[in-house]
Amino acid sequence: GQQVQQSPASLVLQEGENAELQCNFSSTATQLQWFYQSPGGSLVSLLSNPSGTKHTGRLTSTTVTKERRSSLHISSSQTTDSGTYLCAIESGTGGYKVVFGSGTRLLVSP
Amino acid sequence: DPKIIQKPKYLVAVTGSEKILICEQYLGHNAMYWYRQSAKKPLEFMFSYSYQKLMDNQTASSRFQPQSSKKNHLDLQITALKPDDSATYFCASSQEGDNNQAPLFGEGTRLSVL
Repeated sequence: GQQVQQSPASLVLQEGENAELQCNFSSTATQLQWFYQSPGGSLVSLLSNPSGTKHTGRLTSTTVTKERRSSLHISSSQTTDSGTYLCAIESGTGGYKVVFGSGTRLLVSP
Repeated sequence: DPKIIQKPKYLVAVTGSEKILICEQYLGHNAMYWYRQSAKKPLEFMFSYSYQKLMDNQTASSRFQPQSSKKNHLDLQITALKPDDSATYFCASSQEGDNNQAPLFGEGTRLSVL
């Protein structure tokens, strides 16, 4: 089945620094999303980016479909960015079965 | 106001008992899902339902039974609970056919089985 690998597993930054998160997946994805999971556990979709480059606020995602990889760039990090960033790929037939990576745990210190 | 309501937020159960996790969505979505997140494991897909019919099942144990009494409800009944069932269970929903829309997730129910 589809596998999703994320790196690094954890990242510590000082406020203002930029972060680069990587996601690699094992087979063609029709849909790729980046999610944010807060320290409290709630999940929020950040970006949907199956191919190309997309921006929203301080976030930029670049997905190279042929190479089965995606990145999430966070510019000018803030302490409130701390949490876990999850890459998720749509997989399976019928319904909406999303396969998640293990995530990158980001800690931004003041 | 939360658009996907999961109840209860926290649940403690004894081994062998049965519990029902509630999920209701008020987004008008036609598809609903259950995911599970155990300690030190990625979020795992469990079930997807579309128009109240099972679409996909990640070979979850038969002890896990989704129940859809209304189109905006997808509860999860768990029988014969085991300590390994301890996890956070997330419900999600989306509009099937809209590939640009990511599923929206509820806040989760944290289940601890003693």
